[in-house]
Amino acid sequence: SAVISQKPSRDICQRGTSLTIQCQVDSQVTMMFWYRQQPGQSLTLIATANQGSEATYESGFVIDKFPISRPNLTFSTLTVSNMSPEDSSIYLCSVEDQAGLSLGYTFGSGTRLTVV
Amino acid sequence: AQSVTQLGSHVSVSEGALVLLRCNYSSSVPPYLFWYVQYPNQGLQLLLKYTTGATLVKGINGFEAEFKKSETSFHLTKPSAHMSDAAEYFCAVMDSSYKLIFGSGTRLLVRP
Repeated sequence: SAVISQKPSRDICQRGTSLTIQCQVDSQVTMMFWYRQQPGQSLTLIATANQGSEATYESGFVIDKFPISRPNLTFSTLTVSNMSPEDSSIYLCSVEDQAGLSLGYTFGSGTRLTVV
Repeated sequence: AQSVTQLGSHVSVSEGALVLLRCNYSSSVPPYLFWYVQYPNQGLQLLLKYTTGATLVKGINGFEAEFKKSETSFHLTKPSAHMSDAAEYFCAVMDSSYKLIFGSGTRLLVRP
């Protein structure tokens, strides 16, 4: 299965600033996903990032707040902009292991963000 | 639209006892179903998945799950709990856009 390197693993940021999270995959993948996991909660999909096109955002998430880049088939970034304490969460990237469903989805280890 | 319901936000078992974590799904199409485990301060790890074929699916660490279409269920079981099984468990269903829809999660506590 794919191996994902997600950076940073954790950060403490001041409100009003922005943080960019990187997701590097060791193989080419078509679809990459960004999730948010608020404290004590389940995972909520922020957006789907496909190479060569703009990310598709889920209801409640907007590009101005969570801009995403997908410059190639192995890399993506998620930026959390103009942060507030409510943005304190774990952010995870995920990829499908193959076109189709034979292996499922792999997740990065997550970025634990605390906004103060 | 697809959805997942996990009954019980917390489940506590004794070491060596049966583990049963419940998951019911709603799907308008044949579902693809997943169980993930999240250990403290870590990302998600795939335990097992059901796509097609055999309805009893075996995963890692001795876990298995059975897809029951008539009951719209995909419960996770393990015959004998180990202390290392203490974690958060998430059931998920894939929607028609290949996105995962997660349940609210169940925290498994294992008593010595």
